[in-house]
Amino acid sequence: SQQGEEDPQALSIQEGENATMNCSYKTSINNLQWYRQNSGRGLVHLILIRSNEREKHSGRLRVTLDTSKKSSSLLITASRAADTASYFCATDPGANSKLTFGKGITLSVRP
Amino acid sequence: GAGVSQTPSNKVTEKGKYVELRCDPISGHTALYWYRQSLGQGPEFLIYFQGTGAADDSGLPNDRFFAVRPEGSVSTLKIQRTERGDSAMYLCASSFGGADTQYFGPGTRLTVL
Repeated sequence: SQQGEEDPQALSIQEGENATMNCSYKTSINNLQWYRQNSGRGLVHLILIRSNEREKHSGRLRVTLDTSKKSSSLLITASRAADTASYFCATDPGANSKLTFGKGITLSVRP
Repeated sequence: GAGVSQTPSNKVTEKGKYVELRCDPISGHTALYWYRQSLGQGPEFLIYFQGTGAADDSGLPNDRFFAVRPEGSVSTLKIQRTERGDSAMYLCASSFGGADTQYFGPGTRLTVL
């Protein structure tokens, strides 16, 4: 079963614009992670935010976490064509650390 | 250092055959995970190893699926009597331990004809 639900399912923007992707989940978590996947290959880890953190930055990425609303957002600033990929949020309950993924968001950045 | 590697990258087999998928985790990572991803979906958990033992195999769909990690490093996912519904991308990930970043391999795309 998939706990995380990303929103929107697909997003198309112009290069240079910001992209915001949202994730909602159902049960309590230890941390939440965002991954990127290109062309159906392996997942690349982007950022991990722990349940006691509210915001985290990494380069052009900004992640927020609201545990009261059970939601997270991923912001990519100044998008590039190379950011075109599928993005997944994954929740980690912490007990045995198996990740539960959403269905993903397809981001297209037009040059 | 080297990341997680998986072999083969692609495997085509016939219904009813037996297949083995291999995962080499990042050196020093004690935790190893297998996930399965169907087209258009997110990865779904299959099994988690801590060291040599399977700490959680609750995601294995049925008894045709089995995984081992005999020396606490390389793992093999074994599927018996493959069915067309087993066709998917099989992903392996490793981490230093629980509640830590999981690093994924490139996956093995399994096609059952």
